Amino acid sequence: DTGVSQDPRHKITKRGQNVTFRCDPISEHNRLYWYRQTLGQGPEFLTYFQNEAQLEKSRLLSDRFSAERPKGSFSTLEIQRTEQGDSAMYLCASRPRQGAVTDTQYFGPGTRLTVL
Amino acid sequence: GQNIDQPTEMTATEGAIVQINCTYQTSGFNGLFWYQQHAGEAPTFLSYNVLDGLEEKGRFSSFLSRSKGYSYLLLKELQMKDSASYLCAVRDDSGNTPLVFGKGTRLSVIA
Repeated sequence: DTGVSQDPRHKITKRGQNVTFRCDPISEHNRLYWYRQTLGQGPEFLTYFQNEAQLEKSRLLSDRFSAERPKGSFSTLEIQRTEQGDSAMYLCASRPRQGAVTDTQYFGPGTRLTVL
Repeated sequence: GQNIDQPTEMTATEGAIVQINCTYQTSGFNGLFWYQQHAGEAPTFLSYNVLDGLEEKGRFSSFLSRSKGYSYLLLKELQMKDSASYLCAVRDDSGNTPLVFGKGTRLSVIA
């Protein structure tokens, strides 16, 4: 399977705990995006990377959130001191290099986070 | 600001045709995307329009009018498996900017 993968698919945690999610993009894609989606809403942008550089962060990304893409391949999203309001589906998407024939974002299956 | 509007819910009959509209107001424009999302799953790419006109791909077609800030997704010969949310998204410039999504239209296909 050469699509975007995410791990874990589901995470249940208690308020105040830290969680980390992983995303493995399509191998030839150099751009990677994180989104958050709550019930009845479309995905909302959190942050994105081009190669290993984090180029933009949304105002939604509080200081409890941090993302990395150390070698320009997989990425991690960490949430510290989780709150119930962090419960959502966290989606990762990858996008090919500029100039690609089909310049769109391809989403992974998502990590569903439930904070109790 | 960025604003993308689409109807919240629609219902259509198996075998029929349904049109899902999307209007957008963004600071720039570099493409409009439609995604399909089944409950609890990730969005899957359906179509991309950057120039005015109709793009056809099997049972699915998407139309764009940039001057009107308007797009629609047309689904023909509806099947029960087409029951899903359909997300309209806009990219507002030519760089790395993320997509801005509408809230999605939940389509129910009934027998």
